[in-house]
Amino acid sequence: DGGITQSPKYLFRKEGQNVTLSCEQNLNHDAMYWYRQDPGQGLRLIYYSQIVNDFQKGDIAEGYSVSREKKESFPLTVTSAQKNPTAFYLCASSILAAGNAEAFFGQGTRLTVV
Amino acid sequence: QQQVKQSPQSLIVQKGGISIINCAYENTAFDYFPWYQQFPGKGPALLIAIRPDVSEKKEGRFTISFNKSAKQFSLHIMDSQPGDSATYFCAASRPETSGSRLTFGEGTQLTVNP
Repeated sequence: DGGITQSPKYLFRKEGQNVTLSCEQNLNHDAMYWYRQDPGQGLRLIYYSQIVNDFQKGDIAEGYSVSREKKESFPLTVTSAQKNPTAFYLCASSILAAGNAEAFFGQGTRLTVV
Repeated sequence: QQQVKQSPQSLIVQKGGISIINCAYENTAFDYFPWYQQFPGKGPALLIAIRPDVSEKKEGRFTISFNKSAKQFSLHIMDSQPGDSATYFCAASRPETSGSRLTFGEGTQLTVNP
């Protein structure tokens, strides 16, 4: 059953703590992405990776970090430097066709800072 | 900087009616325009997409209309059904970007009343 698995579905964090969101894909896609979704703002790109051991900042990378040690995995760490971390986080993957590849999304992780 | 603007923010339609969602973009380098559908608590899924070399694309009850000179595109849902109730996002990407680095609109929450 191919797809993208995000875990956990819900996550609660105390202020000042780092937290890592998991994203795994078995679609054999080279590219992976992290988006943040807030009400009324659509999806905004945090980080993306086109190849193992390489990644680039998206539009809102401040306060986040990622790693890409394996093709299948692209974990996102929300650090204490992120000023407003409460949001719905979506991981996606795609092939590397130029500019028009379909993005496949996971089910998301809802992070709440308490 | 919001490069893709979407309207309306919310839309209520009666069963059997036509739902219309509009998007406008600024960057003339965009050349791929997908629409994604998202149900509550789920990740978005590709619904339909268009390239600017055509003015219209139809798949079942869903049609994209594209106006390159006006830098606008819209999604029409014919014979809207309660099962179409979801959030719809338009998006755009540039040809020089590999994969699926998308710029999303703000989203439209569609409710189809029975």
